[in-house]
Amino acid sequence: GENVEQHPSTLSVQEGDSAVIKCTYSDSASNYFPWYKQELGKGPQLIIDIRSNVGEKKDQRIAVTLNKTAKHFSLHITETQPEDSAVYFCAASSPGLTFGSGTQLTVLP
Amino acid sequence: EAGVVQSPRYKIIEKKQPVAFWCNPISGHNTLYWYLQNLGQGPELLIRYENEEAVDDSQLPKDRFSAERLKGVDSTLKIQPAELGDSAVYLCASSPGGRGYEQYFGPGTRLTVT
Repeated sequence: GENVEQHPSTLSVQEGDSAVIKCTYSDSASNYFPWYKQELGKGPQLIIDIRSNVGEKKDQRIAVTLNKTAKHFSLHITETQPEDSAVYFCAASSPGLTFGSGTQLTVLP
Repeated sequence: EAGVVQSPRYKIIEKKQPVAFWCNPISGHNTLYWYLQNLGQGPELLIRYENEEAVDDSQLPKDRFSAERLKGVDSTLKIQPAELGDSAVYLCASSPGGRGYEQYFGPGTRLTVT
């Protein structure tokens, strides 16, 4: 089955700086890679996704890149704000989602 | 548009008791998923429905867990009997399609087994 590894497990940045979270996957048949933000006591919220026929996608301050050859994808958040603080999960579709272990992002004011 | 609805939000039961969770997906979403999330970890798939058919239940512990999706809309996940290790958040998600489609999650049900 699919295996997704996510790094780092914790990340602290100063407000206004950029944050990068990286994931690798194992199943070359996976073709859909979403990113979720989860705040305490809430369900995961889809923030951006990318399909295997696209190398990069951007939505305002958030961007995702995908390298199919290397089987890795990354989340980039620019101009971070305190409200970006949360746990972020990457996932790969097989077709039920296989999630990474999460990254606790803390944006320091 | 209403999101995925789950109830109850919290449940505390004693071990060996039964428990059930209910999910109402986003209107029009044919695919429904149940996930289990342990503290500090990512969600893990338990079962996937396409309409009323369970098309992937390979990760569902069938000795004590069961699920149903009558009429291809609402779904219920049941545990009987519950064990201490079942304490977790049970998440429901829905999608307009199968592979390669966005999944939207509900708020989850936090189960505590004492």
